[in-house]
Amino acid sequence: AQSVTQPDIHITVSEGASLELRCNYSYGATPYLFWYVQSPGQGLQLLLKYFSGDTLVQGIKGFEAEFKRSQSSFNLRKPSVHWSDAAEYFCAVGAQDDKIIFGKGTRLHILP
Amino acid sequence: DTAVSQTPKYLVTQMGNDKSIKCEQNLGHDTMYWYKQDSKKFLKIMFSYNNKELIINETVPNRFSPKSPDKAHLNLHINSLELGDSAVYFCASSPTLLGGGPYNEQFFGPGTRLTVL
Repeated sequence: AQSVTQPDIHITVSEGASLELRCNYSYGATPYLFWYVQSPGQGLQLLLKYFSGDTLVQGIKGFEAEFKRSQSSFNLRKPSVHWSDAAEYFCAVGAQDDKIIFGKGTRLHILP
Repeated sequence: DTAVSQTPKYLVTQMGNDKSIKCEQNLGHDTMYWYKQDSKKFLKIMFSYNNKELIINETVPNRFSPKSPDKAHLNLHINSLELGDSAVYFCASSPTLLGGGPYNEQFFGPGTRLTVL
């Protein structure tokens, strides 16, 4: 069965520092992978997605993610975080029957 | 121009009541979804509809009944509300996916926070 693991429930970084949020997936075929962000009291917004091709994917707001098949990972990165990046981040994998399976999320805190 | 809208944004009600949440999308998408996000932020799909037809029903109690009057609307009716139904409910939509092909982005509404007292 498809699954997504985000091992870090909370991450705290200082403003201006680099960021990496971890995501591991389990899927038998070529995965379709997503990162979504949820700001407090808001719905989810897509940051980026991977279907095929270049394994380094660029997204909105300066985020990127790298697909590594050998590690079953799709980690999200940003070279320099801003206070407005504080939010909940969800990794997801596209499954059968048009479902998207979400990870449990990582809450990002930014120190001034 | 709101792409996916939900009403109401907040809903507070007593146990045993029946309530509805409405969702509308103006993106021209064929597929719509309902998700439940619990207090620990875990997001789980409940239903999906494609062109008014039920596609996914994820072992949700039959007190929950989705209704899609047309492909731009997917409403969620909940009977006999229970304390455990308290959560944030998200509606989402995406282009048609049936028949294979890449999985497309799902566009989410702002959510409806349901509190059952």
